[in-house]
Amino acid sequence: GESVGLHLPTLSVQEGDNSIINCAYSNSASDYFIWYKQESGKGPQFIIDIRSNMDKRQGQRVTVLLNKTVKHLSLQIAATQPGDSAVYFCAETLTGGGNKLTFGTGTQLKVEL
Amino acid sequence: DGGITQSPKYLFRKEGQNVTLSCEQNLNHDAMYWYRQDPGQGLRLIYYSQIVNDFQKGDIAEGYSVSREKKESFPLTVTSAQKNPTAFYLCASSWTRNTEAFFGQGTRLTVV
Repeated sequence: GESVGLHLPTLSVQEGDNSIINCAYSNSASDYFIWYKQESGKGPQFIIDIRSNMDKRQGQRVTVLLNKTVKHLSLQIAATQPGDSAVYFCAETLTGGGNKLTFGTGTQLKVEL
Repeated sequence: DGGITQSPKYLFRKEGQNVTLSCEQNLNHDAMYWYRQDPGQGLRLIYYSQIVNDFQKGDIAEGYSVSREKKESFPLTVTSAQKNPTAFYLCASSWTRNTEAFFGQGTRLTVV
């Protein structure tokens, strides 16, 4: 079956550095991708999304890059802060699929002071 | 405040008992979803509903049941047929076509 997976289960960065979280997806038909942040014991929170007709999208301190050729998605966090410590999930879906999101396993981001 | 509310936050169940988890949203979303999350794992889809009085099985529907009698509500029943029900359950809602899903704060179910 189709799946979404993450390359790195844990990422440790120094406060102030930039973070890059990667995600591989296998369904070439997927046309909408979302990054979520989940803090311990809470529900996931939307960070940023990107559609398949785009290669890059920027938000506040975050940038998502989409490489459809190699089915790769990344989330870049600039000037990482202690409050960024959480688990980050990428999710994919496709038009006509009922907006069902398929989630990857997640990456734990740890920000060191 | 608009949002999606799950209750209770913590729930304990004895083996062999059915239990129902509540999910309510006032975002006027058409679609609602239930996900299960195990420790250190991603989210797996249990059931989803795109319109009232209609719902579809997700990837791990066995041992669960749902209803969608109202647009705002999508309760999940964990039945005694679910052999490993201890998990963190997350409800979400969205518009139906390629939009972000909004999540509740989750219900942690423990079988004792």
